[in-house]
Amino acid sequence: EAGVAQSPRYKIIEKRQSVAFWCNPISGHATLYWYQQILGQGPKLLIQFQNNGVVDDSQLPKDRFSAERLKGVDSTLKIQPAKLEDSAVYLCASSLGYWYGQYFGPGTRLTVT
Amino acid sequence: AQTVTQSQPEMSVQEAETVTLSCTYDTSESNYYLFWYKQPPSRQMILVIRQEAYKQQNATENRFSVNFQKAAKSFSLKISDSQLGDTAMYFCASNSGNTPLVFGKGTRLSVIA
Repeated sequence: EAGVAQSPRYKIIEKRQSVAFWCNPISGHATLYWYQQILGQGPKLLIQFQNNGVVDDSQLPKDRFSAERLKGVDSTLKIQPAKLEDSAVYLCASSLGYWYGQYFGPGTRLTVT
Repeated sequence: AQTVTQSQPEMSVQEAETVTLSCTYDTSESNYYLFWYKQPPSRQMILVIRQEAYKQQNATENRFSVNFQKAAKSFSLKISDSQLGDTAMYFCASNSGNTPLVFGKGTRLSVIA
């Protein structure tokens, strides 16, 4: 089966610019997650969707980050405006349920200059 | 809130030897799930092994096994017959039906030929 797809793989932008990341989960996975992984650290959950509804966005900086999951499949994460501290790898993951674990995409490495 | 602690930032092991990575956690949930993920250099996160807290039997996946000590809140990963391809960051993680997946800071494992 196809894995979690993400694009782009790399992005370099200047601070105050905007950027968007796209994720396509594994077919049939109702739960989708966006994580931020700063170099040398474990991933930090930004937002969790169940189908197209938000389950947890408590750690999403809502003044600059937004995410949507239209039709319960693909998802987009946006940052506007970007700050230097947003430089990180943004990981998308999907899951059938808590017990099954999460399957991760290759990530998007964002560099803000 | 759940917390996950990995006290070994870096470890190394000779090829074909056995290595154990440590993980401790804290949770107020009665049932929860524990995972080990592997993140090779510049490659995506892969689920290695998982354990449900109410199951006493330790999980095993080929060369990977866990030592789950529920009373001590310990969940260590043993890698037998280490291979060069095992070189990676290893993350311990935990969640429950009511809480998101929380990761430790990771252990960087180097397998030496």
